[in-house]
Parts: sequence; C-alpha cells; structure tokens
Amino acid sequence: NAGVTQTPKFQVLKTGQSMTLQCAQDMNHEYMSWYRQDPGMGLRLIHYSVGAGITDQGEVPNGYNVSRSTTEDFPLRLLSAAPSQTSVYFCASTTGNQPQHFGDGTRLSIL
Amino acid sequence: RKEVEQDPGPFNVPEGATVAFNCTYSNSASQSFFWYRQDCRKEPKLLMSVYSSGNEDGRFTAQLNRASQYISLLIRDSKLSDSATYLCVVTPYTGGFKTIFGAGTRLFVKA
Repeated sequence: NAGVTQTPKFQVLKTGQSMTLQCAQDMNHEYMSWYRQDPGMGLRLIHYSVGAGITDQGEVPNGYNVSRSTTEDFPLRLLSAAPSQTSVYFCASTTGNQPQHFGDGTRLSIL
Repeated sequence: RKEVEQDPGPFNVPEGATVAFNCTYSNSASQSFFWYRQDCRKEPKLLMSVYSSGNEDGRFTAQLNRASQYISLLIRDSKLSDSATYLCVVTPYTGGFKTIFGAGTRLFVKA
C-alpha cells in the first residue's frame, strides 16, 4: 500500500518563487491536512480538507493555498516563497476518529 | 493555555529503565487519543491508541484519565531504539480533521 505520498522530498527555492507541494492518498480518506514543523517545534496545521471541494484554514494559513478537487489529492501552493517558510511539510490523511497517516514529508529551503 | 501540553524533556535514561510521560489536554469533549513516535525530522508514526480502560502493547502502556484530562505513556525496559520524540495527540471532535498534536517529549536512551 502506498498510503500517503508526498512529492518532492526536497526542494530549494529562491525568495519570491512559487511552487506546489503534492500530496496523494490511496486509502479513500475524507480528511486531509497539511502541517509544517520547524526545528524543535511541534506540528502546526496549515490547511485541512473534510472532503472534495471543501477546505479550511488551520493555525498558520498565511502564504499558502490549497484545493481539493478529488478525494485522493490535496496540493499545497506557496504563492510567493519567503525564508520564514523554510520548514518540513507533512501531509496527513484520516477517516472518522482514526489516527492520522503521514507522508514522508517535504523538506523545503527558501533562500 | 495550550490545547495539548507535554513536558518537552529531554528525558535521559539508561537502557533497561522505566520512563513515563504525561500529557494534559484542555478540551473535555475530546474524543480520541493517541501516542505517536517521531524520529529525527521524519514523519510521525502511530505508536498506540489510548483507551479509558488502559491498554498495553509489549513494553508500552497507555492510560487515559478523562476526569483529570491527562494521558500517560509508560515505557518499560527501555531500548536504545526507543530514543525518539513522543507526541501526545488528541482529536477534539468527532472527526480526525481537527487533530491536535502536542509539541512532543524527547527521550534519549543511553547504553
């Protein structure tokens, strides 16, 4: 089982560039979320989705956009990258009250 | 007050020791509780769910006290491989999309 797949695994951007982090899951989970984790800190929720066509903001949404056109995919877009967005990004999915399943993460550096 | 609070540690213990972590949560309507393990900058992985009756998985025992709103994790006979960050996780609503992660407790097991 693939579970939750994130691409790319590593990325270096220049300030002001835009890019999309991809996330796909093959478990037919209705809930998908994006988190960022900075060194020595816990996970912070960026955006989440409760189903295709429905998204909402989490704790730290500024500078990021999401969309959910299918159950499987939940891409995260950085509109204009800033050094403060250097972080590790995790995508997760779940259903009901079940625990979240995480992808391997995308390590993003912005110069 | 944070919704989920953990002692950040680090806990430094010798191999074979017993170590306990506690976690408190603020929302009395919380539905589901989990312990996750996270190795250095990798994705969090489910260690075990936590039930009111308490549950055990090998060397690991988890307890939930709803009246006092805390969760505990006990690790017996610590191994070097147990060195990691342990995350306390709470789902406050019926639905995993609002999962709240604690900042984690760091454990170092020494030979």
